[in-house]
Amino acid sequence: NAGVTQTPKFRILKIGQSMTLQCTQDMNHNYMYWYRQDPGMGLKLIYYSVGAGITDKGEVPNGYNVSRSTTEDFPLRLELAAPSQTSVYFCASSSGDQPQHFGDGTRLSIL
Amino acid sequence: GENVEQHPSTLSVQEGDSAVIKCTYSDSASNYFPWYKQELGKGPQLIIDIRSNVGEKKDQRIAVTLNKTAKHFSLHITETQPEDSAVYFCAASWRSNYQLIWGAGTKLIIKP
Repeated sequence: NAGVTQTPKFRILKIGQSMTLQCTQDMNHNYMYWYRQDPGMGLKLIYYSVGAGITDKGEVPNGYNVSRSTTEDFPLRLELAAPSQTSVYFCASSSGDQPQHFGDGTRLSIL
Repeated sequence: GENVEQHPSTLSVQEGDSAVIKCTYSDSASNYFPWYKQELGKGPQLIIDIRSNVGEKKDQRIAVTLNKTAKHFSLHITETQPEDSAVYFCAASWRSNYQLIWGAGTKLIIKP
C-alpha cells in the first residue's frame, strides 16, 4: 500500500496563476482532508470530504476549491494564486473515527 | 470554536532523560486526542492517541495522559533517543465528521 500520495512535491507559481494539487489514497478511506501548514504553526483545515460527491468547508476555505468524484482522489484547486497561499499543503485520509493518515505534502511558493 | 494550546514551543533534553509536552483544549465536547510526530520534509505521523473514556495510555517509551476536568492532556517520552528529535503536534476532535483542531507544535531536540 502506498497510503496517501500527493503530487507535486514542490511548485512555484506566479500571482494570479491557478493550479491543482493532487491527492490519492489506496486505503479505501471515506474521509479525506486538506490542510495547510504555515511556518511555526499547526495545521489548519481547508476542506474535507466524508465520501464521494460530498465536500465541506473547514477553517480556512477562502481561495480554494475541492471535488471528490471518487473514493480515492481529492484534488485541491487554487484559482487565483496569492502570496498568502504560500504554504505547505497536506492531504490526509481516515476511516470514520480512526486516525488520519497523511501524505508528505506539497510545498507551494507564490511569487 | 475549539482552540488547542500547546507548550512549550521548543524543548531541549539530554539523551536518556524524559520529555513532557502539554496541551489544553477549550471544547469540553472533544473526545479524541491524537499526538503526531513530524520529521523534516515529511507529513505528520500518528504516534499515540487517547479517547475521552480513558485517563492514560502507554506504548513502550511513549505515554499520554488526559485530565478531562482540567481539559488538558500531555505526551510523555521516557529514555529519549536521538531519533525522537522532531516536531510533535497535539490535536483535539471538534464537531462531527472527525475534524481535528491542532496545537502549534513543539520542536523536541535531543542533546547527545
